[in-house]
Amino acid sequence: EAGVAQSPRYKIIEKRQSVAFWCNPISGHATLYWYQQILGQGPKLLIQFQNNGVVDDSQLPKDRFSAERLKGVDSTLKIQPAKLEDSAVYLCASRPSENTEAFFGQGTRLTVV
Amino acid sequence: AQSVTQLDSQVPVFEEAPVELRCNYSSSVSVYLFWYVQYPNQGLQLLLKYLSGSTLVKGINGFEAEFNKSQTSFHLRKPSVHISDTAEYFCAVRGPGSGSRLTFGEGTQLTVNP
Repeated sequence: EAGVAQSPRYKIIEKRQSVAFWCNPISGHATLYWYQQILGQGPKLLIQFQNNGVVDDSQLPKDRFSAERLKGVDSTLKIQPAKLEDSAVYLCASRPSENTEAFFGQGTRLTVV
Repeated sequence: AQSVTQLDSQVPVFEEAPVELRCNYSSSVSVYLFWYVQYPNQGLQLLLKYLSGSTLVKGINGFEAEFNKSQTSFHLRKPSVHISDTAEYFCAVRGPGSGSRLTFGEGTQLTVNP
């Protein structure tokens, strides 16, 4: 079974630029998460989708972050404009049903300079 | 809402020694509990999970954890660690329901020294 795929693995941008991350969850997984992990901290939930609907985006900085999940499958997370404090690893995860764990991708490491 | 507290940010141990990584949670509803491991520049890998049933759960790489509802704890243990166990360990909690948030602790860096 293929895992959660994320791209790119690494990205360096200048502040005020925009960036997008892509996630392809495991086939058939209804729930998709995006997390932000700042160095030395635990992952913080940005947004959670159930199929193609948003169920929790309370911690998403909506003035600069946006996310969508196309047809309940792939998802993109965008930052526009980026700030220095957005430097982090962005993790995507998916889960097939309620009584299971979440499966994580390798993450995208973003450096804003 | 749920929250997780990992009581130790760093745990240094010698090879072949036992280790316990402590995790406490708070929740007003029943919970699912997880331990994940993260190696440098990698995503999170599931070590073990408690969904229901036996409170002692066994996971990969010789790890186990015990769910203690009265103490709201889910401590991770291994009787004898290896150098390769050096990594960051995260405890996570989720409530019931497909829309429930998966919340992580701040992590514990386990360093196994020769």
